[in-house]
Amino acid sequence: DAGVIQSPRHEVTEMGQEVTLRCKPISGHDYLFWYRQTMMRGLELLIYFNNNVPIDDSGMPEDRFSAKMPNASFSTLKIQPSEPRDSAVYFCASSDVRTGRDYEQYFGPGTRLTVT
Amino acid sequence: GNSVTQMEGPVTLSEEAFLTINCTYTATGYPSLFWYVQYPGEGLQLLLKATKADDKGSNKGFEATYRKETTSFHLEKGSVQVSDSAVYFCALSRGKLIFGQGTELSVKP
Repeated sequence: DAGVIQSPRHEVTEMGQEVTLRCKPISGHDYLFWYRQTMMRGLELLIYFNNNVPIDDSGMPEDRFSAKMPNASFSTLKIQPSEPRDSAVYFCASSDVRTGRDYEQYFGPGTRLTVT
Repeated sequence: GNSVTQMEGPVTLSEEAFLTINCTYTATGYPSLFWYVQYPGEGLQLLLKATKADDKGSNKGFEATYRKETTSFHLEKGSVQVSDSAVYFCALSRGKLIFGQGTELSVKP
């Protein structure tokens, strides 16, 4: 398996622009997580899905952020409009609860977002 | 609530030194405990785990023991290598993973 795939790996955009981050989880995994990592705040869970349904979005910072999972193999995290304080590394992770190993999350390589 | 506290970094060691990274937790019930590692420019990956009290997780020379009485899960390695330089995250499972703030380890030759 190729692991969790994220795109793009790097994104530089101007303040006010829309940004879309993409994630393909490991095939067969039924949980998908979006995290944000910054020096100041560390690793933050933004939202997670189970079987494509959002379960907990309490970590989404504000209405400018939205996430979707239209099918089991694809998810997006959108920021509109983007602001400089959104600059961070965004990670996607997936796990498979059916194996009883739901705690073992597999992380993608991350998308480094810079908003100027 | 549920939380994880790790010792602050960065931790700088010489090669072959002994490593301890402290981790304590607060949780209801008996969560599973984990150490994840993040190498430069990569995502996190599971290093080891322990699912019940007194369990010892081990991998790649690293060990951690689930201590219920002290609510701790300290990470240890007897002899670190330069390749161990990374950020280490302690975490617990309570429906979702709750991570500590991470501890950066730098090993010098």
